[in-house]
Amino acid sequence: EAGVAQSPRYKIIEKRQSVAFWCNPISGHATLYWYQQILGQGPKLLIQFQNNGVVDDSQLPKDRFSAERLKGVDSTLKIQPAKLEDSAVYLCASTPGNSGNTIYFGEGSWLTVV
Amino acid sequence: GESVGLHLPTLSVQEGDNSIINCAYSNSASDYFIWYKQESGKGPQFIIDIRSNMDKRQGQRVTVLLNKTVKHLSLQIAATQPGDSAVYFCAETLNQGGKLIFGQGTELSVKP
Repeated sequence: EAGVAQSPRYKIIEKRQSVAFWCNPISGHATLYWYQQILGQGPKLLIQFQNNGVVDDSQLPKDRFSAERLKGVDSTLKIQPAKLEDSAVYLCASTPGNSGNTIYFGEGSWLTVV
Repeated sequence: GESVGLHLPTLSVQEGDNSIINCAYSNSASDYFIWYKQESGKGPQFIIDIRSNMDKRQGQRVTVLLNKTVKHLSLQIAATQPGDSAVYFCAETLNQGGKLIFGQGTELSVKP
C-alpha cells in the first residue's frame, strides 16, 4: 500500500517569499492533517480536514498560512509571506476516519527560510 | 499543553539490552495513545498504540504501558538493535482519530 506522499521534500526560500506544499494521502483516507515540526520538538497540528471540510484550524496562523483540500483527496498548504520562524518540517498525515484509526505520516517537506 | 521542549532527553543503551522510554501526557481525558519512531530526515512512523481501557499492550519486541493515575506512558523495547536508534514520541488524543498532541520526544542511541 502506498504511503502518504508529499512534495517538494526540500525548499529554501527568502523571507517574505511564498511557498506551497502538496500532500496526497493514503487512498481512501477521509481525514488529512498538516503538522509543523520545528527542530527538536514534537509535531504541532496546523489543520485537520475531514473530506474537503475543515475540522480544526485553531492553530493555523491564518494571516500567512492557508490550506485547502478542494476535492477531498489531495491537499496544499501555502505560506505567504514566509518568516524566518517558519523554518520547519511540514508533515502531512492521514487516517481512514475520524476515530479509531492509526494516523500515518508522510516523510515531510523541509522548509528553510533565509 | 503542547510540546515545547527544545532539548531532547537522550537514552543511550548497549545493543541487546532492553530500553525503556517514558512519557508524561497532558490531558487526563485523553483516551488513545500512540508511540511513534522518527528517524533522521523521515516522518514519524507508527510503532504501537493503546486505548485508555487498557494498561498494557504488546507488539513485536515492543510493549506499551499506560498508567492513567499518574498520566504516564512507557515504551519498552526488547533486545534493542542499532536500527532502533531514533527519536521516539508519544502522542495522545481524544476520540482516537482526532487531534494528536505530541510529547517532547526522547532520542534513543544504541551502541554496538
